[in-house]
Amino acid sequence: GESVGLHLPTLSVQEGDNSIINCAYSNSASDYFIWYKQESGKGPQFIIDIRSNMDKRQGQRVTVLLNKTVKHLSLQIAATQPGDSAVYFCAENKDTGRRALTFGSGTRLQVQP
Amino acid sequence: DAGVTQSPTHLIKTRGQHVTLRCSPISGHKSVSWYQQVLGQGPQFIFQYYEKEERGRGNFPDRFSARQFPNYSSELNVNALLLGDSALYLCASSLHRNNEQFFGPGTRLTVL
Repeated sequence: GESVGLHLPTLSVQEGDNSIINCAYSNSASDYFIWYKQESGKGPQFIIDIRSNMDKRQGQRVTVLLNKTVKHLSLQIAATQPGDSAVYFCAENKDTGRRALTFGSGTRLQVQP
Repeated sequence: DAGVTQSPTHLIKTRGQHVTLRCSPISGHKSVSWYQQVLGQGPQFIFQYYEKEERGRGNFPDRFSARQFPNYSSELNVNALLLGDSALYLCASSLHRNNEQFFGPGTRLTVL
């Protein structure tokens, strides 16, 4: 079936290092992708999104890369901070005029001081 | 501005009962979506409502239903609860049905 998945369930990095979280998707019809951050006891928080007509998009300390050839999405976090510790989800959507997001299972990012 | 609010925060029910969860979107937002998040997994889409009409439905049984009110708040109803319905139920609102979704903190439902 079509799904959004993640390569690594847990990623541990040192404070100040850059983090890269990867995601594979299989639905070639998806044309909108989002990264969410979810802290314990909270709902997902929007980080950054990208449409399929783009390869890269940058935000504040975050960059999303989209490789449509291999159906791969990545989130790069620069100078990772303890407050970045959370579970990160990628989500995809076919832009049919509504948002019915398909989420992956998540990657837990642990930032070591 | 207040974000998306959901009530109750936690809920414990027994099998066979029904439950009603409530969501108030961000002021001005006209679309509400519901997601189910089982522990250790990503959220799964249940419904999207826009302008009080159902605009999308995920792969959930008919025991799940929802509605949106004139003030754009929403209720999710689940009948004949099963143990497997235990999850965090998330509500997300967006300005229109195709915009960025903002999630609430969720309602933790435990079915015993």
